[in-house]
Amino acid sequence: QQPVQSPQAVILREGEDAVINCSSSKALYSVHWYRQKHGEAPVFLMILLKGGEQKGHEKISASFNEKKQQSSLYLTASQLSYSGTYFCGTEGIIQGAQKLVFGQGTRLTINP
Amino acid sequence: ETGVTQSPTHLIKTRGQQVTLRCSSQSGHNTVSWYQQALGQGPQFIFQYYREEENGRGNFPPRFSGLQFPNYSSELNVNALELDDSALYLCASSSGHKQETQYFGPGTRLLVL
Repeated sequence: QQPVQSPQAVILREGEDAVINCSSSKALYSVHWYRQKHGEAPVFLMILLKGGEQKGHEKISASFNEKKQQSSLYLTASQLSYSGTYFCGTEGIIQGAQKLVFGQGTRLTINP
Repeated sequence: ETGVTQSPTHLIKTRGQQVTLRCSSQSGHNTVSWYQQALGQGPQFIFQYYREEENGRGNFPPRFSGLQFPNYSSELNVNALELDDSALYLCASSSGHKQETQYFGPGTRLLVL
C-alpha cells in the first residue's frame, strides 16, 4: 500500500518554512525520506525508526508517529537548494527483502 | 557521492526489442534493488538481488528479469518492450540489513517508441 503524501506541491519564498506529511494505512516500522532534483537520482535525507524519534539534518528535520502511522518532514528557513521533489518511503518486507514503497512525491519550489 | 553507477544514461528502443541496464553497487554493499520511476511518480520496486540471488519481487511481469554478479554489480533485462516501459530505471545499493539506507544511482532513462 503506497503511502500518501501531502501536499502534492508547495511554492515558497526563500526563508519560509514547509511541512510535508506522509501517511500510511499500514503499521510503519521505518520511514525513509529522499529528495530528488529534476533529472537526478533520489538523494537520501534521513531514516526514522519506530519509537517516535525526531531526526535532523541541518535545517531539515522529521518526526515519526507510529501510532498515527505518519511522518512529517520539516524544512526550516528554506534555501533555494531545497527545491526538488520529496519522497517518503515506507518499509515493507516481501519474500524476505526490504522493499521501499514510495509515496507519489511532494514537489517543493523555492523562489528567491 | 553515493558511489552507485548506472549505464547507459539514456536509451531509445522500439516496441518488441530487448534492453539490458547495468548497475554497479557502492563499495561494501551486497544488495541491489531495482526501481521503475514513471514521470511524475515515485519509484516502484521491481526486484532485489542479494548475494547473486533474487530476494523479493514487486508486481512486474516475468519479462523483467535480472542478474547479480560475484562483484555485486547487477543487470536488469526487459524483453518485449512496451510503450509503458518508458521510464527512469533506478538501482539502489545497500548492505542488505533491515531498515538500512538504500543509495540510488543516477538512473537510466529509457524511451520506448
